[in-house]
Amino acid sequence: NAGVTQTPKFQVLKTGQSMTLQCAQDMNHEYMSWYRQDPGMGLRLIHYSVGAGITDQGEVPNGYNVSRSTTEDFPLRLLSAAPSQTSVYFCASSYLPTGGGGGELFFGEGSRLTVL
Amino acid sequence: DQQVKQNSPSLSVQEGRISILNCDYTNSMFDYFLWYKKYPAEGPTFLISISSIKDKNEDGRFTVFLNKSAKHLSLHIVPSQPGDSAVYFCAASARGSTGNQFYFGTGTSLTVIP
Repeated sequence: NAGVTQTPKFQVLKTGQSMTLQCAQDMNHEYMSWYRQDPGMGLRLIHYSVGAGITDQGEVPNGYNVSRSTTEDFPLRLLSAAPSQTSVYFCASSYLPTGGGGGELFFGEGSRLTVL
Repeated sequence: DQQVKQNSPSLSVQEGRISILNCDYTNSMFDYFLWYKKYPAEGPTFLISISSIKDKNEDGRFTVFLNKSAKHLSLHIVPSQPGDSAVYFCAASARGSTGNQFYFGTGTSLTVIP
């Protein structure tokens, strides 16, 4: 059982370049989300989705785009990378509802992005 | 503003003793709380959760206590083992329009000394 798979694990970009972080889950979870982890900041929600065709913004959405065309996949796009986007990115999925006693999040192993 | 706070960045405990990790929150609408454990170069993994209708939940060596009036929860690990050395994140969520958002603390790095 693969769970949540993220690719690539490491990426170095130059300022202004674009890239997509891939996330796939095989647990048939309705809910998928992207977090970034920065020193002293914990995990902060970027975007999330409660099903195919439905996405919404989290705490720190600026500079990132997402789409959800299938239940399994939830890619995160950086259209014009900036040094402030240097971070470790985690994709997570869950059954719904997520809060109020619902499912817990299952995380991928993370993608370390450096923007020069 | 940080809605979930872990004020102790690190904690060291002797093997066999109790580890107590603390977490405070500010949003009174939070009604579901979780603890995650994270090893280096891995994603966080779920450890234990508690609903706001309870004040204690136990799972083996791990117990989470919730004090709603103080907006405080704690994770107790007894007895602590070297394999418990990791970063622990506290998280909270609420029903309603933000029910699909989890808010995480900044984490506490636990070191269990053999």
